[in-house]
Amino acid sequence: GNSVTQMEGPVTLSEEAFLTINCTYTATGYPSLFWYVQYPGEGLQLLLKATKADDKGSNKGFEATYRKETTSFHLEKGSVQVSDSAVYFCALSDYGGSNYKLTFGKGTLLTVNP
Amino acid sequence: DTAVSQTPKYLVTQMGNDKSIKCEQNLGHDTMYWYKQDSKKFLKIMFSYNNKELIINETVPNRFSPKSPDKAHLNLHINSLELGDSAVYFCASSQVETSRNEQFFGPGTRLTVL
Repeated sequence: GNSVTQMEGPVTLSEEAFLTINCTYTATGYPSLFWYVQYPGEGLQLLLKATKADDKGSNKGFEATYRKETTSFHLEKGSVQVSDSAVYFCALSDYGGSNYKLTFGKGTLLTVNP
Repeated sequence: DTAVSQTPKYLVTQMGNDKSIKCEQNLGHDTMYWYKQDSKKFLKIMFSYNNKELIINETVPNRFSPKSPDKAHLNLHINSLELGDSAVYFCASSQVETSRNEQFFGPGTRLTVL
């Protein structure tokens, strides 16, 4: 079956530090990959996505590249801000025989200090 | 404009009661979902539903039942509430065939069972 593994948190950084959150996946098909973000007290929002190998998703300074050879989709940002403090979820979508299914990683809590 | 809305935002109730959470989407999507997020932020799919098929996660107790009066609504009914049902419940929707299952989430309903 499909699975997503992302680095355990929590991750604590100072403002303007470089961020990497690792994500690897296992899929039987050819999935689309997503990063979702959950700010405190809110629902999940799509941060970025990639639908095929070597695609780079980007949004709000965050980037992730779909690497089929390493089955990875690591999230990066060059300079984090306090407002980036949130829980980040890596996810994949694949067709499961009767429906598309979204599989989430366990989430990584990021705290950015001033 | 709210894309996916849920009511209520907070729900506090006694063990053994029956309660419902409502979800509405105005995106014209064909598929809706319910997720449970536990205290460790882990997201678990409970149901996915379109006008053709209800797919139930086999680990969900039959005390939980989704009801869809129309394509834009998927309500969650919970009978005989238990302490372990305390969690945040998220509704989501997607247009599966055209979006590779990019899902849009509601703000969540925090259920507390006393």
